[in-house]
Amino acid sequence: DGGITQSPKYLFRKEGQNVTLSCEQNLNHDAMYWYRQDPGQGLRLIYYSQIVNDFQKGDIAEGYSVSREKKESFPLTVTSAQKNPTAFYLCASSTTGYGYTFGSGTRLTVV
Amino acid sequence: AQKITQTQPGMFVQEKEAVTLDCTYDTSDQSYGLFWYKQPSSGEMIFLIYQGSYDEQNATEGRYSLNFQKARKSANLVISASQLGDSAMYFCAMSRRGSARQLTFGSGTQLTVLP
Repeated sequence: DGGITQSPKYLFRKEGQNVTLSCEQNLNHDAMYWYRQDPGQGLRLIYYSQIVNDFQKGDIAEGYSVSREKKESFPLTVTSAQKNPTAFYLCASSTTGYGYTFGSGTRLTVV
Repeated sequence: AQKITQTQPGMFVQEKEAVTLDCTYDTSDQSYGLFWYKQPSSGEMIFLIYQGSYDEQNATEGRYSLNFQKARKSANLVISASQLGDSAMYFCAMSRRGSARQLTFGSGTQLTVLP
């Protein structure tokens, strides 16, 4: 079945560490996105990519970095510069029309 | 800039009754899309319904319908015959222009269906 796989489901990070969240899709979608969700709030866009080797900052990119070396993969690194990284992170992909697919998310906690 | 407003943080509905979740939006774009997603406690985002700004008829998908009033910039979700499994967080979202279709989300409405 086609879809988006995010791993890990839960992630714990120590202060000052960088961590990388994985996002893989087999939908052949060109565009991919990373969103952050804080408790009781909507999703906010971190980064997005329209094609391989190209990506743009979203509304809250500070403290995050991404890469898009393959069409299928769009990993997100939460760097030590992100002061409040504890949140739920959702990856998504889209194609033409209104098709828009989300992964099941990664819950990141700073310990 | 685009903005989505959901003014109902929480809603209660009796099982088998209909419920309307409110959503208003603000945009200067002529072409845009409006989405509703359901997010259960597990966290995944489940697509419910879509309305394009140029669609003349209100979108329907099974028990879900979108009451689109373009002049008032509202896109309310109507759930008919509520079921216990409908209890979840509901988000209204709008797509931006461009080849990458970034979504702008509202703050959500927590719906609880009572037996």
